[in-house]
Amino acid sequence: KQEVTQIPAALSVPEGENLVLNCSFTDSAIYNLQWFRQDPGKGLTSLLLIQSSQREQTSGRLNASLDKSSGRSTLYIAASQPGDSATYLCNNDMRFGAGTRLTVKP
Amino acid sequence: EADIYQTPRYLVIGTGKKITLECSQTMGHDKMYWYQQDPGMELHLIHYSYGVNSTEKGDLSSESTVSRIRTEHFPLTLESARPSHTSQYLCASRTGHGYTFGSGTRLTVV
Repeated sequence: KQEVTQIPAALSVPEGENLVLNCSFTDSAIYNLQWFRQDPGKGLTSLLLIQSSQREQTSGRLNASLDKSSGRSTLYIAASQPGDSATYLCNNDMRFGAGTRLTVKP
Repeated sequence: EADIYQTPRYLVIGTGKKITLECSQTMGHDKMYWYQQDPGMELHLIHYSYGVNSTEKGDLSSESTVSRIRTEHFPLTLESARPSHTSQYLCASRTGHGYTFGSGTRLTVV
């Protein structure tokens, strides 16, 4: 059974800082690797999808990379803003990590 | 705008009642999923379907059941609600372009 782990569980940074969120998975035979954002009490909003044949995807200030050999993915957020405050989850196959709760302080 | 529609958005119901949480999608996706998520906690897979008349149980032991009679419809039923069922229930579909989630149903059993 696929297991997905996210580190750190929580992160607090000042506005403007660049940051990296980490995701690791146990089964390297991935389907797709997808990063989501979840605001409190809400559903999940897709941020980036990396196909199994790809190594990275970019959208605005977000960049996600995938290293299948090591079973890891990272989400890089540049020039963080208070509006980025949310929980970020990664997904591999049907399993999700527990998420990283990000707080960006003004 | 979400292409996965979940109703109701919020539900408060008494113990022992039978309830059905609705999930519909207009995209013709074959793969659909139900996840349970307690506040601030991780998502747990409770049921999934790969198409009409196909349903499977997920990782979390659940007293719920699902059906998939039509591609666009994947309802979740609790025969007898209990306070331990209080949680948020998220429905999703998936293709090669990834998951699409509904807004969720927040269920409270009193």
